Amino acid sequence: DQQVKQNSPSLSVQEGRISILNCDYTNSMFDYFLWYKKYPAEGPTFLISISSIKDKNEDGRFTVFLNKSAKHLSLHIVPSQPGDSAVYFCAASAGTDSWGKLQFGAGTQVVVTP
Amino acid sequence: GAVVSQHPSRVICKSGTSVKIECRSLDFQATTMFWYRQFPKQSLMLMATSNEGSKATYEQGVEKDKFLINHASLTLSTLTVTSAHPEDSSFYICSAGGTSGGGGEQFFGPGTRLTVL
Repeated sequence: DQQVKQNSPSLSVQEGRISILNCDYTNSMFDYFLWYKKYPAEGPTFLISISSIKDKNEDGRFTVFLNKSAKHLSLHIVPSQPGDSAVYFCAASAGTDSWGKLQFGAGTQVVVTP
Repeated sequence: GAVVSQHPSRVICKSGTSVKIECRSLDFQATTMFWYRQFPKQSLMLMATSNEGSKATYEQGVEKDKFLINHASLTLSTLTVTSAHPEDSSFYICSAGGTSGGGGEQFFGPGTRLTVL
């Protein structure tokens, strides 16, 4: 049973524009959410995270928004750059121990075009 | 961020042989390490959680006798795929959590591509 869902398998965006990636979850016990970026044949690299007590977290070009009532979060990348082309995974963990197990979404392939 | 390495990065083996994959946290002590596998164009599936000095906790559907995990020190965890078969071919990724790092995120290794002929 997929508890973290990324319903868009791919996203194409023009360089300089905003990329918006969406993620939905079903487990109300999740209290920590993360976004990872992954290139082929490499491990995921951490991008940004958000605790359930917040609704927004910003780090440079990356902003994550959390809507707890809708069980929805999104990642905004602005402006998008060619180096942002990768697969982006949404992940969530439950419990106060943020080192706990992560549930991953299926990923969204982002392609940034010149 | 913290650095996690995996070795080997790629391995090809014959069916029936065993393969050991090492995961090392290079600049911090990892009390907890996780092992994932990823099939092409699919998500990362957690296989097991290993805590230093204790037995690993396996996810439902993962055969503990087939995927042996050892976490003997705070910087090293190993995954041994015993009697590997072609269906075990996959991309195996480890991650480490622990007392260092910021934000509570896990740090991932670069992955190991296993191909069983």
